[in-house]
Amino acid sequence: GAGVSQTPSNKVTEKGKYVELRCDPISGHTALYWYRQSLGQGPEFLIYFQGTGAADDSGLPNDRFFAVRPEGSVSTLKIQRTERGDSAVYLCASSFIREDTQYFGPGTRLTVL
Amino acid sequence: SQQGEEDPQALSIQEGENATMNCSYKTSINNLQWYRQNSGRGLVHLILIRSNEREKHSGRLRVTLDTSKKSSSLLITASRAADTASYFCATDIQGGSEKLVFGKGTKLTVNP
Repeated sequence: GAGVSQTPSNKVTEKGKYVELRCDPISGHTALYWYRQSLGQGPEFLIYFQGTGAADDSGLPNDRFFAVRPEGSVSTLKIQRTERGDSAVYLCASSFIREDTQYFGPGTRLTVL
Repeated sequence: SQQGEEDPQALSIQEGENATMNCSYKTSINNLQWYRQNSGRGLVHLILIRSNEREKHSGRLRVTLDTSKKSSSLLITASRAADTASYFCATDIQGGSEKLVFGKGTKLTVNP
């Protein structure tokens, strides 16, 4: 079956612009996670969905970041007024049940000029 | 702050040798997972070990967990050039949400 997919694979934008990053989880997975990875670092947690609701959004760095999962499947991470410091690889993962293995997508590399 | 910390930060070995990477963490966990990452993109899941387990094997991989020392190790036996990658441990913290907390990783280079 298909794994987690993310689009676009690369996104270049200008400072101050709005971007949307999409994640398609593995079919049937109820949990979905967003992480951000800067160069030379491990991934850092942003937000976790269980179904349609955000169960933990403690990792979102500020109110410019927002994520939705309206039908409990596809999720969109939205970043307003992008800053150069937002440049990173944004990773999405999904899992079937609590405490189960998280399967990661290939990531979206965001570059803010 | 990061929960997990891998050691060493970088490791270079010859093909056929074994590679051992260690991970230490700070708080009680539900499980610990090891991932591999090539070229800074998607992470590939290797092994999940639960807090009540001490050792797991998968092919050439062996993972141990010592909850009293809050540490884990990943052993790759008979390494191959294709094992060259960054390896991360990630912990699911007890009492927290299901988010994973990653270390900075160990960069493994296997020379042919």
